[in-house]
Amino acid sequence: DVKVTQSSRYLVKRTGEKVFLECVQDMDHENMFWYRQDPGLGLRLIYFSYDVKMKEKGDIPEGYSVSREKKERFSLILESASTNQTSMYLCASSPEGQGRAEQYFGPGTRLTVT
Amino acid sequence: DAKTTQPPSMDCAEGRAANLPCNHSTISGNEYVYWYRQIHSQGPQYIIHGLKNNETNEMASLIITEDRKSSTLILPHATLRDTAVYYCIVRVAFLRNTPLVFGKGTRLSVIA
Repeated sequence: DVKVTQSSRYLVKRTGEKVFLECVQDMDHENMFWYRQDPGLGLRLIYFSYDVKMKEKGDIPEGYSVSREKKERFSLILESASTNQTSMYLCASSPEGQGRAEQYFGPGTRLTVT
Repeated sequence: DAKTTQPPSMDCAEGRAANLPCNHSTISGNEYVYWYRQIHSQGPQYIIHGLKNNETNEMASLIITEDRKSSTLILPHATLRDTAVYYCIVRVAFLRNTPLVFGKGTRLSVIA
């Protein structure tokens, strides 16, 4: 089974703190994604990566950065957390190849910024 | 991505088949139909996908009409743990920079 793990299920941080969210997948998938999910807004793509050290901006990259030093690990960084970044953060991975765009999600990290 | 239309909610008795419909009348020839579900407070879970043939795996069956304008996800023996929001998504399969777009989905309630 594909397994995507995220470092924390719940996280509380203060405004201005630097926040690291870690995601690890164990299926050798090329593609990895970070989404946030908010009530009424659905899933919104923050960043994605299709190879080590490669990254591309999604729909809402402002206030975030990412790092992919190893194929299995994709980190999301909030440089200076703000209250409007309180959300559920979801990491996903997917294999490469025609007809293989299914994504496998981690359990999510519910981040609260106070 | 083509848009999809799903009923907002459905009920199903435990042990019976749950049939979840999806309309995608503007689907393009190279777009696949994907189904995901999201159980409360968890990340979305991939269920199944198909292009034009019916598909079956250990979780569900996917029936796509011949004209590909609609599809039905079938959970053959629904359990209480299948209570979730089910999303039908159409998209080109091999397109790296196209994220999944989740609509409002169908909230399936499995009743004992």
